[in-house]
Amino acid sequence: NAGVTQTPKFQVLKTGQSMTLQCAQDMNHNSMYWYRQDPGMGLRLIYYSASEGTTDKGEVPNGYNVSRLNKREFSLRLESAAPSQTSVYFCASSEETGFYGYTFGSGTRLTVV
Amino acid sequence: TQLLEQSPQFLSIQEGENLTVYCNSSSVFSSLQWYRQEPGEGPVLLVTVVTGGEVKKLKRLTFQFGDARKDSSLHITAAQPGDTGLYLCAGVILPHKYIFGTGTRLKVLA
Repeated sequence: NAGVTQTPKFQVLKTGQSMTLQCAQDMNHNSMYWYRQDPGMGLRLIYYSASEGTTDKGEVPNGYNVSRLNKREFSLRLESAAPSQTSVYFCASSEETGFYGYTFGSGTRLTVV
Repeated sequence: TQLLEQSPQFLSIQEGENLTVYCNSSSVFSSLQWYRQEPGEGPVLLVTVVTGGEVKKLKRLTFQFGDARKDSSLHITAAQPGDTGLYLCAGVILPHKYIFGTGTRLKVLA
């Protein structure tokens, strides 16, 4: 039972390059999320999707776009990477609103040079 | 950025000792979760507490939700090296909206 799968695990980008982080869950969850984790800042919500076909901004959406491709997959795109986007990115999923907690993926460590 | 205050930030103890981690906020939460995160991995859900005053036990870990649903504690009895990790609390303020704590980094020495 894979849970939430993220790819890639590590990535180095040059400033201005673009890339897409992939996320897939096999738990039939309706809701999916993208977070970034930075030292001293905790986990911060970038975007979320409450159900297939819907997406909403979180706390730090600038510089990112998302696509809820189907119920299983939720991708995060950086159109023009900046050093401030160096972070560890986590995808998560939950039943409905997340009231009982999330299942997280293992993360993508992104460095923008 | 709203954050939950966790204390202590760092804790290094000997195997067999007891410890308590605290999570405090001025916000009222509809539910609160505790997660443990190991290096290179995502947070793993340990428990969800919902009712003010609720106490839940998971083997040697005891979780308590404050009566006013603004704070929580995690107590570990007879800590073991396998308990080493980053402990995060997260409070639900709205559907799909959490506030995460900055974490308590625990190291248990054998």
